[in-house]
Amino acid sequence: DTGVSQDPRHKITKRGQNVTFRCDPISEHNRLYWYRQTLGQGPEFLTYFQNEAQLEKSRLLSDRFSAERPKGSFSTLEIQRTEQGDSAMYLCASSLLGGGRSGEKLFFGSGTQLSVL
Amino acid sequence: GNSVTQMEGPVTLSEEAFLTINCTYTATGYPSLFWYVQYPGEGLQLLLKATKADDKGSNKGFEATYRKETTSFHLEKGSVQVSDSAVYFCALGSYGNNRLAFGKGNQVVVIP
Repeated sequence: DTGVSQDPRHKITKRGQNVTFRCDPISEHNRLYWYRQTLGQGPEFLTYFQNEAQLEKSRLLSDRFSAERPKGSFSTLEIQRTEQGDSAMYLCASSLLGGGRSGEKLFFGSGTQLSVL
Repeated sequence: GNSVTQMEGPVTLSEEAFLTINCTYTATGYPSLFWYVQYPGEGLQLLLKATKADDKGSNKGFEATYRKETTSFHLEKGSVQVSDSAVYFCALGSYGNNRLAFGKGNQVVVIP
């Protein structure tokens, strides 16, 4: 079963350092999402791609955050000059574009837990 | 904007007890509603969904009915098992809006 995989599972970094996370979606899925989840909260939308195009970004995604999906397959999320407030679980999800109706099922990875010291 | 509110606090109950987790929503238009579940050490996975008013989603003994008049989508299970221990998230998605809005989640602990 090749689900959504994320790497690394855990990342500890010092404030001010840059970090990069990778997400490999389910191979035939053309939509890829990034969410952030802090302790005691539900996931919050960050951004989404359809194939290689980044079509939507949340206001949560500051200028220090950048996401790419260069070939429409895997995606990376980079955080520059990390801050303690960036500590969270970063979740990736993918889906198969349906017929344009809402209600599509998202498949989530297990996430990357970021701790900024 | 779209938002989801779940009841506060974890839920602890005994095996074979009845489970209810409340979820209410605020949305424009006609959203789809979801329950996602996160088992320990695993990613979120879709438990059930309903895409229009009065629809009932069901899976693994869990049910939820889309109530437009009360803007609710409460999750129920008649007899829980220890294996149902997980975090449950209510979520909302709407046509033309590519993001899901999640509630805060409820930790459910089932004691043998």
